[in-house]
Amino acid sequence: DAMVIQNPRYQVTQFGKPVTLSCSQTLNHNVMYWYQQKSSQAPKLLFHYYDKDFNNEADTPDNFQSRRPNTSFCFLDIRSPGLGDAAMYLCATSTATGDRRETQYFGPGTRLLVL
Amino acid sequence: RKEVEQDPGPFNVPEGATVAFNCTYSNSASQSFFWYRQDCRKEPKLLMSVYSSGNEDGRFTAQLNRASQYISLLIRDSKLSDSATYLCVVNDGGSYIPTFGRGTSLIVHP
Repeated sequence: DAMVIQNPRYQVTQFGKPVTLSCSQTLNHNVMYWYQQKSSQAPKLLFHYYDKDFNNEADTPDNFQSRRPNTSFCFLDIRSPGLGDAAMYLCATSTATGDRRETQYFGPGTRLLVL
Repeated sequence: RKEVEQDPGPFNVPEGATVAFNCTYSNSASQSFFWYRQDCRKEPKLLMSVYSSGNEDGRFTAQLNRASQYISLLIRDSKLSDSATYLCVVNDGGSYIPTFGRGTSLIVHP
């Protein structure tokens, strides 16, 4: 089945130790998103790619970087994780065809714990 | 600033009850509306899109009120398995960056 895959599902890192989360998709969607979600809060968009075009949200900390080497893969790099970065990180895709009915497809998320 | 507002709840209802959630949006140019369901510690999954004419899928009915800028979700004959957080998602015309509400928590008890 076509899907969005995230690895790892759980990541434990130490304060300040860089970590990379990965996302892959078999849907061939041109838009990929990274969200941060904390308990009882809405998913917060960090950045997104439209094809190779990178779009950073204004309030995304510099500590967060992203790479999209090809259509299928997208990575989230947290250069120096702080305790406040502990959260669920969700990857999503969409086709962005302009069809009003198009929706986002989410991966299962990576839960990050910072010690 | 674009806003999507939801009552966070929790809504605590017995099995078999009918429950309704509302979601208000501030951007009158919004074109697309969705309800997503998110189980605890899982990813959001599309429950249903919301069309101008309203739509129904089994026990779930979604409606849009453009004049008052809100959408609603009605769940009839609640099941224990309906316990989840329901996220309201709104998209502007031509945008592929949706705005999420913080979600409404539903707890269905025996």
